[in-house]
Amino acid sequence: EAGVAQSPRYKIIEKRQSVAFWCNPISGHATLYWYQQILGQGPKLLIQFQNNGVVDDSQLPKDRFSAERLKGVDSTLKIQPAKLEDSAVYLCASSLGTGQFRVNTEAFFGQGTRLTVV
Amino acid sequence: AQSVTQLGSHVSVSEGALVLLRCNYSSSVPPYLFWYVQYPNQGLQLLLKYTTGATLVKGINGFEAEFKKSETSFHLTKPSAHMSDAAEYFCAVSLTGTASKLTFGTGTRLQVTL
Repeated sequence: EAGVAQSPRYKIIEKRQSVAFWCNPISGHATLYWYQQILGQGPKLLIQFQNNGVVDDSQLPKDRFSAERLKGVDSTLKIQPAKLEDSAVYLCASSLGTGQFRVNTEAFFGQGTRLTVV
Repeated sequence: AQSVTQLGSHVSVSEGALVLLRCNYSSSVPPYLFWYVQYPNQGLQLLLKYTTGATLVKGINGFEAEFKKSETSFHLTKPSAHMSDAAEYFCAVSLTGTASKLTFGTGTRLQVTL
């Protein structure tokens, strides 16, 4: 079974530039998550999709971050314009379940995209 | 609000020695608890999780953790460390029980020496 695919693996941009990350979840997984992992910290949930609808984006800095999941499969996360403090690893994860904990809600993580803003 | 505290950002053990990674949580309601492992340049992999029932939870790669409500702890242990266990370990808590509402600790980097 193929895992969660993310691209690019690494990205270096200057502040105020724009950047986009792509995620392809495990086939059939309805739920998709984007996490931000700043160096020395644990991952923080940015946004959760259920199929192509947003379930939780309470921690997404909406003035500069946006995300979409067209057709309920692939997802893109965009930052525009980037700031120095956006330097982090952006992790995408997916899970099969619809929210009932005991039923297939384990999240599978991709390798992440390491963003460096200079 | 829920939170997780991992004591010790770096832990070093000898190969074959006991591994003990500490995690304490704060929650106003019964939590669900998780341990994840992250190898260099990799994503997170679930080691084990506690939901309800038996407080001693066994996971992959010989790891286990015990939920102690009275101590608000969920420490991760492994009887005998292997070189391949070197990685970063994250404790996480969820109130709703879903994988999405995870609050992670800051992580503990485990080093295994010969």
